[in-house]
Amino acid sequence: AQSVTQLDSHVSVSEGTPVLLRCNYSSSYSPSLFWYVQHPNKGLQLLLKYTSAATLVKGINGFEAEFKKSETSFHLTKPSAHMSDAAEYFCVVSDRDAGGTSYGKLTFGQGTILTVHP
Amino acid sequence: SAVISQKPSRDICQRGTSLTIQCQVDSQVTMMFWYRQQPGQSLTLIATANQGSEATYESGFVIDKFPISRPNLTFSTLTVSNMSPEDSSIYLCSVGVRDTYYEQYFGPGTRLTVT
Repeated sequence: AQSVTQLDSHVSVSEGTPVLLRCNYSSSYSPSLFWYVQHPNKGLQLLLKYTSAATLVKGINGFEAEFKKSETSFHLTKPSAHMSDAAEYFCVVSDRDAGGTSYGKLTFGQGTILTVHP
Repeated sequence: SAVISQKPSRDICQRGTSLTIQCQVDSQVTMMFWYRQQPGQSLTLIATANQGSEATYESGFVIDKFPISRPNLTFSTLTVSNMSPEDSSIYLCSVGVRDTYYEQYFGPGTRLTVT
């Protein structure tokens, strides 16, 4: 079974300071991991994905995440926050079987609301 | 990626009625999914809809309440039947991209309010 825990429901930063959104996961075998962003009244946008290649994954808008198997973590970071980053962020896991085949089922974390102050 | 549209974008319905939500994709895809996002909550998978087979429902969701059709590789519908205020949510469809380990792209969602 797969699950995701986002450790902070709200994160508040000042513009220009670093962003850290924390995510821990649980899965049976080798997971695929994703971060999605949802701006107010907008749809979900894929920020980045980890699919067993490089453990440090770069995404859009300057975001990146590092897959740490020993810590079962996939934290999202950005060196310098921008006002336009204010949104809700979801960490998502998609489990795979022993043969590496994905079932296609996504399990979403509860979301982290990022607020960026001027 | 894929471009996904949903109709309607929002609706206000009376309890006891049904609403059918349409999801259209600009390319042929094997796997389509339907999610529910209740107010202030995360997304929960309702069912997986593959063309040519019956939809597979997650625990807590049943076909009588959420019948799904998947007539071809670019289209699907989700019906919310016999609605109650608890069905007020955003309903989203997504498509899976097989060659990228099923990363999914989401439609804009349908915001449903049941009065």
